[in-house]
Amino acid sequence: AQTVTQSQPEMSVQEAETVTLSCTYDTSENNYYLFWYKQPPSRQMILVIRQEAYKQQNATENRFSVNFQKAAKSFSLKISDSQLGDTAMYFCAFMNGGGTSYGKLTFGQGTILTVHP
Amino acid sequence: NAGVTQTPKFQVLKTGQSMTLQCAQDMNHEYMSWYRQDPGMGLRLIHYSVGAGITDQGEVPNGYNVSRSTTEDFPLRLLSAAPSQTSVYFCASRDGGRNQPQHFGDGTRLSIL
Repeated sequence: AQTVTQSQPEMSVQEAETVTLSCTYDTSENNYYLFWYKQPPSRQMILVIRQEAYKQQNATENRFSVNFQKAAKSFSLKISDSQLGDTAMYFCAFMNGGGTSYGKLTFGQGTILTVHP
Repeated sequence: NAGVTQTPKFQVLKTGQSMTLQCAQDMNHEYMSWYRQDPGMGLRLIHYSVGAGITDQGEVPNGYNVSRSTTEDFPLRLLSAAPSQTSVYFCASRDGGRNQPQHFGDGTRLSIL
């Protein structure tokens, strides 16, 4: 079974600065996908960014980028130019690419990010 | 396009009562699933379905039943509510294609007294 670990329960950053959220995972699979989801106080689950394991290039979505280290099984999220609206719980998630667990998400424990003005 | 719709948004039950959490999606997604969110534990998979008529257990299935009679609907039933089932419940759906992300409903906050 896969496991996902987010070792930072809480993080804080000043507005306009950069912050990195950590995520590590454990799997014996070679084909899989990784996601970062944002959950603001409204409780919605919002997809921030995704990465296919077979792609060496790190995914980027505007101010959000990842550092995907497949050998180290690490998938960190970097938020540049932090904004007050980035304040939320962030979840790292793993999805197997095939087999009987295809499509099921395994989540980390979450990191609460607070952006201060 | 409503996406994934969950009802109700809030519910309080007494121990032993039964209820059904509703989930509907209008994106013709094959794959639907139910998660529960508890503090410090992220989201955990309860049950999932890969298509109408097909369901399977996730990580924490005990105390819950599901059925999938149509592509659109995937209700979650609590047969006899227990305080340990106090949680926030999320329904999600995704297209069957590889690398497609889950689309989540807005969640149901359920309290069992």
